[in-house]
Amino acid sequence: DQQVKQNSPSLSVQEGRISILNCDYTNSMFDYFLWYKKYPAEGPTFLISISSIKDKNEDGRFTVFLNKSAKHLSLHIVPSQPGDSAVYFCAASAQGGSNYKLTFGKGTLLTVNP
Amino acid sequence: DTGVSQDPRHKITKRGQNVTFRCDPISEHNRLYWYRQTLGQGPEFLTYFQNEAQLEKSRLLSDRFSAERPKGSFSTLEIQRTEQGDSAMYLCASSLGRARLGIEKLFFGSGTQLSVL
Repeated sequence: DQQVKQNSPSLSVQEGRISILNCDYTNSMFDYFLWYKKYPAEGPTFLISISSIKDKNEDGRFTVFLNKSAKHLSLHIVPSQPGDSAVYFCAASAQGGSNYKLTFGKGTLLTVNP
Repeated sequence: DTGVSQDPRHKITKRGQNVTFRCDPISEHNRLYWYRQTLGQGPEFLTYFQNEAQLEKSRLLSDRFSAERPKGSFSTLEIQRTEQGDSAMYLCASSLGRARLGIEKLFFGSGTQLSVL
């Protein structure tokens, strides 16, 4: 039972355009959400996060939007750069002492074409 | 900050053999985690240490798996009598462990890729 779903295995965009990566979750106990980026042969690296008390968090070119009623979040990258090409994982955690345990989606491979 | 270090990067073994992986976390981090990632999947939680205490183990961690973190520093993950289904990337992560509430930001190592033939 996939509690965090990334339904698009891959996404291709042109350099300079917007990349939108989507994530859905089913567990209503999740209240913190993170995006990780992973290059080949490297471990995932933290990108940006959002608490369920917010609906938007921005960090430079990266913005995460959270729609709690729809159990949906998205990561926007503007403008996209070739160096952004990587696998992006959406992850979620719940409070109540388990804020260390992340549940990951399957990932979306983003390719930014020059 | 030298990051989370894992050794070896790759391990090829025959079914039935035992293997051991090592993880060195970021020095000031008191939490350490093991995750496993199989092809086409995201990382899955295996186990977690707060200092030297192993506080949670996933149901994914069968009796053939054992993890230790002596003295609350580096950690080892041992798999006994390996099976082909154990083939995966084993990721170690660490965190400060000071966020009682809120997001605990995990820093991952590059992983150990295990192939069981």
